Amino acid sequence: GQQVMQIPQYQHVQEGEDFTTYCNSSTTLSNIQWYKQRPGGHPVFLIQLVKSGEVKKQKRLTFQFGEAKKNSSLHITATQTTDVGTYFCAGTNAGGTSYGKLTFGQGTILTVHP
Amino acid sequence: GAVVSQHPSWVICKSGTSVKIECRSLDFQATTMFWYRQFPKQSLMLMATSNEGSKATYEQGVEKDKFLINHASLTLSTLTVTSAHPEDSSFYICSASGVGGRLNQPQHFGDGTRLSIL
Repeated sequence: GQQVMQIPQYQHVQEGEDFTTYCNSSTTLSNIQWYKQRPGGHPVFLIQLVKSGEVKKQKRLTFQFGEAKKNSSLHITATQTTDVGTYFCAGTNAGGTSYGKLTFGQGTILTVHP
Repeated sequence: GAVVSQHPSWVICKSGTSVKIECRSLDFQATTMFWYRQFPKQSLMLMATSNEGSKATYEQGVEKDKFLINHASLTLSTLTVTSAHPEDSSFYICSASGVGGRLNQPQHFGDGTRLSIL
């Protein structure tokens, strides 16, 4: 079945440093979504990428979708303590029959030291 | 918009008890809802896809008779953990997609239910 691998599992940074998490799928994706889960909270939708090679920005966050639609990345510039949490990528398999079903990556736990 | 309410937030009960968790979409209609299980510091594991008016689709390895799912309306899905045992203790989260459950729809998550079986 479809697998979505995400690295690194943990990332500790000093406030102000940049952060990147990478996501790779074993199959071609229809789209990829990114979620953030704060400690003790539930996942919150950040963004969705659909087009091959797509790049989207949200303030200090930059999201990329690979040309082959099998990988993606999230880059945070100048991290702040409010960025702490677990970042998940989640993909929908291209050609899948289960509408909306997402396969989540393992997540990257980000810790920001002030 | 796109608020999903999940109840209860916490459940502590004795082994053998059945526990029902509700998931409601408050301001939109959700043809499709999803039930996940999450262990500490781990990813979300999809348990089943719940479709309004039809039987749920369970993921491989998830016991249908153990985790009963009912999606009686466009705004409510329930998960019942039957005869719960300590190994069922976990964080259960539901999510909902908009009408039609079309591809490319973001999922909106409830706050989750922390289940502890003694």
